[in-house]
Amino acid sequence: GAGVSQTPSNKVTEKGKYVELRCDPISGHTALYWYRQSLGQGPEFLIYFQGTGAADDSGLPNDRFFAVRPEGSVSTLKIQRTERGDSAVYLCASSLRDLDYNEQFFGPGTRLTVL
Amino acid sequence: GIQVEQSPPDLILQEGANSTLRCNFSDSVNNLQWFHQNPWGQLIILFYIPSGTKQNGRLSATTVATERYSLLYISSSQTTDSGVYFCAVARTTSGTYKYIFGTGTRLKVLA
Repeated sequence: GAGVSQTPSNKVTEKGKYVELRCDPISGHTALYWYRQSLGQGPEFLIYFQGTGAADDSGLPNDRFFAVRPEGSVSTLKIQRTERGDSAVYLCASSLRDLDYNEQFFGPGTRLTVL
Repeated sequence: GIQVEQSPPDLILQEGANSTLRCNFSDSVNNLQWFHQNPWGQLIILFYIPSGTKQNGRLSATTVATERYSLLYISSSQTTDSGVYFCAVARTTSGTYKYIFGTGTRLKVLA
């Protein structure tokens, strides 16, 4: 079946603007993660959804970042008042089970550039 | 929080050689995964291995949770093995699902 998809693949915006990044997980996967990855670094956890609810949002850097998953499938990461330091690749991953046995399958990422 | 260290940071191999990558973590975990990030940036899961040993073709992994380390073995390396290998850990028993990634091992396999 289809893997995790993310749109757009690239997003260029100006400082101060609002952006939305979308993630379509693998069908039937109940768990969904957002990460961001800066050049030369490993992915950094942002938020974890179990179904429709955010079970762990401890990685969101500040209140400019928000994510939703209203129907337990597609998720949107929203960034308000973007800053140049938000530039990174934003990765989404999904997994079949939401407890301990949870292999994560990653999407191709959205490269965000804030000018 | 949990610290994850990977070694070596960089590795260059001739095609056909074997290698061992190491992941050390600073606290007990109940989730550990190994990933390969190809040169185009796609992350692919290799193993979910919180403990024990698993093998998949030329790759195998061992996690010794009590000693807080995991090893990834690559045998008969191929140029397509090039990329960055990440270890990621989590301790979900503490109520968090925050996976911590190491800084990776960058592997280049030469033809």
